[in-house]
Amino acid sequence: AQSVAQPEDQVNVAEGNPLTVKCTYSVSGNPYLFWYVQYPNRGLQFLLKYITGDNLVKGSYGFEAEFNKSQTSFHLKKPSALVSDSALYFCAVTRLTDSWGKLQFGAGTQVVVTP
Amino acid sequence: NAGVTQTPKFQVLKTGQSMTLQCAQDMNHNSMYWYRQDPGMGLRLIYYSASEGTTDKGEVPNGYNVSRLNKREFSLRLESAAPSQTSVYFCASSARTAASYEQYFGPGTRLTVT
Repeated sequence: AQSVAQPEDQVNVAEGNPLTVKCTYSVSGNPYLFWYVQYPNRGLQFLLKYITGDNLVKGSYGFEAEFNKSQTSFHLKKPSALVSDSALYFCAVTRLTDSWGKLQFGAGTQVVVTP
Repeated sequence: NAGVTQTPKFQVLKTGQSMTLQCAQDMNHNSMYWYRQDPGMGLRLIYYSASEGTTDKGEVPNGYNVSRLNKREFSLRLESAAPSQTSVYFCASSARTAASYEQYFGPGTRLTVT
């Protein structure tokens, strides 16, 4: 079985400061890892993914994530947060061998960026 | 290119009533999914369709049925709504190729069962 943990329900950061949203995963085999963002009353938007290759993945809106196989982590980062980054962030995992592409989502982390 | 569309956006049902949530995608994706989102629980998979003509149960299928009408459309039916089905429902689709497993989501349907 696969699982995702987002240990922080909420992350508070001041605008201009670095933002980190943590994610750890458990999956047998090679993982596909994803980050999504959800703005209020909207659907989830794809931010970035790790499939293979470089452990540092760059995505939309200046976000990046680092895959760490030994720590089974895939933390989302942004060097300088904006107020408009305030949203709900989800980490998700599926297995490389899962032919149905079923995603297992974490519970989500609310990011609050204050001016 | 509308992506994934869902209707209705909002719905209020009484316990025991039935309804169908509609979903369509125009990205020629093979796979489609129905999720429900509840506070603090992330998204949970209800049903999915790996390709046209196939459907299968996800994590929380009880109380729901689905139909993959064609490649574009995937509907979710509540036969006898219960208050526990109050939730936000999202449809998603994916090309599900080796280089493209990401899913694209619709705007959601907010359902309240009284």
